[in-house]
Amino acid sequence: AQSVTQLDSQVPVFEEAPVELRCNYSSSVSVYLFWYVQYPNQGLQLLLKYLSGSTLVKGINGFEAEFNKSQTSFHLRKPSVHISDTAEYFCAVSNLNTDKLIFGTGTRLQVFP
Amino acid sequence: NAGVTQTPKFRVLKTGQSMTLLCAQDMNHEYMYWYRQDPGMGLRLIHYSVGEGTTAKGEVPDGYNVSRLKKQNFLLGLESAAPSQTSVYFCASSYGLAGYQETQYFGPGTRLLVL
Repeated sequence: AQSVTQLDSQVPVFEEAPVELRCNYSSSVSVYLFWYVQYPNQGLQLLLKYLSGSTLVKGINGFEAEFNKSQTSFHLRKPSVHISDTAEYFCAVSNLNTDKLIFGTGTRLQVFP
Repeated sequence: NAGVTQTPKFRVLKTGQSMTLLCAQDMNHEYMYWYRQDPGMGLRLIHYSVGEGTTAKGEVPDGYNVSRLKKQNFLLGLESAAPSQTSVYFCASSYGLAGYQETQYFGPGTRLLVL
């Protein structure tokens, strides 16, 4: 069975500081990994996804994530955050054997001026 | 394109009342999903559909029913609402199965309060 763990429920950070949101997964087969973002009072939208190939994936709004198979991680990073990045971020996993996407519990990123 | 839309945006129900949430997508997607979002629990799949006329159970299906009579619409029904069903409900759609690398597109959500 697959599962996703987001280690931090909340991450406070000052504007223009770097940020890393952590995500670990467990799966017995090859996985596809996703990061979705949910801005206040909105639905989720895709930030980036890892399917295969290069382990460094670049997404929208300057975010990137690195797939690390040995550590079963897919951490999300941004070198300099803006106030507008304040949102909840969800890591998710799927594989070829499933017709479902498994979401983590989310990390709330709060950017302060 | 409107993408994925949900009706209504907000609703307050009394215990035992029934209601139907409507999801519509204009992207000609085969797959549609209903999730509920609760604090500290992320998104949990209620039911999903792999095509017109088909439905399947997700992680938390009890107390809900669904129908997919038209490809573009996916209805979620609560026959007898309970306070435990207070939540934010999201509909999503995708061209292919999640396992086939497909991105899911989400609606704006329906906030439901059951008193």
